[in-house]
Amino acid sequence: NAGVTQTPKFQVLKTGQSMTLQCAQDMNHNSMYWYRQDPGMGLRLIYYSASEGTTDKGEVPNGYNVSRLNKREFSLRLESAAPSQTSVYFCASSSVPRGNQPQHFGDGTRLSIL
Amino acid sequence: EDKVVQSPLSLVVHEGDTVTLNCSYEVTNFRSLLWYKQEKKAPTFLFMLTSSGIEKKSGRLSSILDKKELFSILNITATQTGDSAVYLCAVSYGGSQGNLIFGKGTKLSVKP
Repeated sequence: NAGVTQTPKFQVLKTGQSMTLQCAQDMNHNSMYWYRQDPGMGLRLIYYSASEGTTDKGEVPNGYNVSRLNKREFSLRLESAAPSQTSVYFCASSSVPRGNQPQHFGDGTRLSIL
Repeated sequence: EDKVVQSPLSLVVHEGDTVTLNCSYEVTNFRSLLWYKQEKKAPTFLFMLTSSGIEKKSGRLSSILDKKELFSILNITATQTGDSAVYLCAVSYGGSQGNLIFGKGTKLSVKP
């Protein structure tokens, strides 16, 4: 009963390094999302994939890229990490897009960029 | 500008107290309002509300939506220390696929 699995759980990077965050879901959901959560800011959508083969920008996409590898997997890439990208990153999935059904979240990746 | 505002931002109560958390919104083409509970890690789904005046209930938690006044409340009765968490409100709105925005959350601390 894994649900949404994110790896890694923690990561420290130096400014300018690249990194890919991995996310996989086993609920046969069509839609997947990447959020970042910062103190006092709530959850903000970075990118989403309404269905396999499609991706769209969310509220804060700058500095990130995504790949919907297949129906199960959705990765988030930081090409050149910046201190402003220090955050907790959550992956989520849902059976249909956006708020039409509840999203199920992974446990998050805590990313620190020095 | 579309927005979701939660209040209070933080709240400290004692076990056994009843609390009411508020969520107001201003969006175009409202679709649904969702409540999540976030402890140390992943937000977990509590309720999804689409119609005014219909209370959703799960144990000691209940929620109701008022689409005329554009707000929702989440009630927790007989609070326990395990209710300590951040409670997130999210609103779905807009076109065919919809958009979803989250409020900043209410941090609830329940003291023994």
